[in-house]
Amino acid sequence: LAKTTQPISMDSYEGQEVNITCSHNNIATNDYITWYQQFPSQGPRFIIQGYKTKVTNEVASLFIPADRKSSTLSLPRVSLSDTAVYYCLVGAGGATNKLIFGTGTLLAVQP
Amino acid sequence: GAVVSQHPSRVICKSGTSVKIECRSLDFQATTMFWYRQFPKKSLMLMATSNEGSKATYEQGVEKDKFLINHASLTLSTLTVTSAHPEDSSFYICSARDGTGVSNSPLHFGNGTRLTVT
Repeated sequence: LAKTTQPISMDSYEGQEVNITCSHNNIATNDYITWYQQFPSQGPRFIIQGYKTKVTNEVASLFIPADRKSSTLSLPRVSLSDTAVYYCLVGAGGATNKLIFGTGTLLAVQP
Repeated sequence: GAVVSQHPSRVICKSGTSVKIECRSLDFQATTMFWYRQFPKKSLMLMATSNEGSKATYEQGVEKDKFLINHASLTLSTLTVTSAHPEDSSFYICSARDGTGVSNSPLHFGNGTRLTVT
C-alpha cells in the first residue's frame, strides 16, 4: 500500500483558498487518490477522489500531476466550519481493498 | 449516496464486560467492511477486514480473540470487544465500499462509536 505524507497542520483565514498537498511516491498503477475530512468524534467524510489530472466537485478540487506522485486538495474560500483534519489516502478501488490512513493535516481556519 | 450506519454512537461499560458494535450498509451490499480504531488526536488505525460469510482478517498486533468480528449478512458486520479493559477505551469506526458497479467507488464511514471502559 502506498504511503502518504502530508503537512501535520495548516492555518488559514476565512475566505481564503487552501491547498493541501499530499506526497505518495510509490503509488501503484491501479491506485486512486481519495481525500477525506474528519471532525472530532465523527467518522471521516468523503470529499473527492481522482486518478489523474483534475477533478472538481461542489466542495473541492483535486489536482494530480502526470507522474501521480503527489496530489493537491484545493478548498476554495474556506470558512470556520472547514476546520477539520484532512486525510489523503491512496489505494485500489475494489470493494475488498483496504485503505491505510496517514497522519492527516489539521486545518485551522481563523476569522 | 452510500450510507454506513454505526450503533451505538456511545457506550460506557464496566471492566470485564463485553460490548458489541454494529455496522450496517444502508443502501448497498458490502461483502467487505473495515474496522478502524482511533485514539485522541491520532489517525485512524485499521484493525481488521470483515468478510461476509468467512473469517475476518486482522492486522498485525490486533488480537482476534479480543476483538471478535462477525459478518453474517451483506449489510451487517459486528465488532465485539470482549472482556473490555480501560485501555480498550477508544473511538471505533467502521467503513464499507459499494462493490457493485463502479470499481473505484470510495470508502464510506460510519459515525463511530465512542467506547469508555470504567
